Amino acid sequence: ETGVTQSPTHLIKTRGQQVTLRCSSQSGHNTVSWYQQALGQGPQFIFQYYREEENGRGNFPPRFSGLQFPNYSSELNVNALELDDSALYLCATLDRGEQYFGPGTRLTVT
Amino acid sequence: AQSVTQLDSQVPVFEEAPVELRCNYSSSVSVYLFWYVQYPNQGLQLLLKYLSGSTLVKGINGFEAEFNKSQTSFHLRKPSVHISDTAEYFCAVSDSRDDMRFGAGTRLTVKP
Repeated sequence: ETGVTQSPTHLIKTRGQQVTLRCSSQSGHNTVSWYQQALGQGPQFIFQYYREEENGRGNFPPRFSGLQFPNYSSELNVNALELDDSALYLCATLDRGEQYFGPGTRLTVT
Repeated sequence: AQSVTQLDSQVPVFEEAPVELRCNYSSSVSVYLFWYVQYPNQGLQLLLKYLSGSTLVKGINGFEAEFNKSQTSFHLRKPSVHISDTAEYFCAVSDSRDDMRFGAGTRLTVKP
């Protein structure tokens, strides 16, 4: 039990739609990272937020965006969904050099 | 930029046998190394990590790993596996402990 929660657990969207995924931490850690894990692959770093500002970004297009709120909860927004966006999306909070992962949101794009 | 290669996509092994899951990394700077386990329909759980100090790192569930700088490897080992160890295992590298790069994963299947 990491204390990191994500919602929803599963989501089905249609190509071209927009989606918002949410992440929260019981401990209120001020650094959160988002990862995309396609089927059969390792997680790929999307971006990181620190104190409500983007603090690093992986090789993802601008239609992947995020927010971090004063209570350190976070959102991942994806616009203009594509079929290849189907994946497990993981958030992780950082505490004293260790990342704590949530259970993920399974997004299916049809 | 750092990267990780997990040399085996699948490792089948019988219960109570020893196992080694191989991981090689590349990085131009000092690195931190991690092994995570992922059970079906769950997130990632940290097994162990190397940040500095002793090159032999012990983790949870009886796993250990050895950091070998000259061979740029961080192989995961367990002397005797159980059925419950069946899962996906990911090696990861970071140069800042913030931004992790993961390998493609190794599927460990423990057979009775």
